[in-house]
Amino acid sequence: SQQGEEDPQALSIQEGENATMNCSYKTSINNLQWYRQNSGRGLVHLILIRSNEREKHSGRLRVTLDTSKKSSSLLITASRAADTASYFCATDARGNQFYFGTGTSLTVIP
Amino acid sequence: NAGVTQTPKFQVLKTGQSMTLQCAQDMNHEYMSWYRQDPGMGLRLIHYSVGAGITDQGEVPNGYNVSRSTTEDFPLRLLSAAPSQTSVYFCASSYLQGLIYGYTFGSGTRLTVV
Repeated sequence: SQQGEEDPQALSIQEGENATMNCSYKTSINNLQWYRQNSGRGLVHLILIRSNEREKHSGRLRVTLDTSKKSSSLLITASRAADTASYFCATDARGNQFYFGTGTSLTVIP
Repeated sequence: NAGVTQTPKFQVLKTGQSMTLQCAQDMNHEYMSWYRQDPGMGLRLIHYSVGAGITDQGEVPNGYNVSRSTTEDFPLRLLSAAPSQTSVYFCASSYLQGLIYGYTFGSGTRLTVV
């Protein structure tokens, strides 16, 4: 079964708005990562947050982690059309095995 | 740096045929893995390896074999293809310690079994 589940499954926003997507997972983790996948391409690593961290920033990305609720959120501020992609969270709940969620499909309308 | 190279990019197989999906990385990564991606299912881990000569099963290993004779290469074998194996396959690698810094993914192999 999937370790992570993203919510919402699909999100459509206007350029310049903020996009928030959430990830819930089932068991304890050491770290959680977010990836982006453009249509027809491989995944690209965006950001990692460790289990002892609560918030992390990278450019227009902000990630939060709440280990008590087993959830994480990815915020993309001032979205651009180029941010249109699918976004996945991945957790290392089983040591060397990384498990991905089902993804959030983000569409940014110019 | 080529990163992670997957071949072929596209493949059509008949049910029962066998084939090998190739994956090579030139970053000296210890860790390599195979995922399949299906609509609405996200990515599911098939097999992974933490170094040459060491492989282990992931979430959906049935119907697939792997081997890791060198650090660079991690081929995925389908012994008898089935329509249920129609999917997009991704290979990914990382330093073992660098698992915390994220994977590098290949561009994928789109496989259709008819």
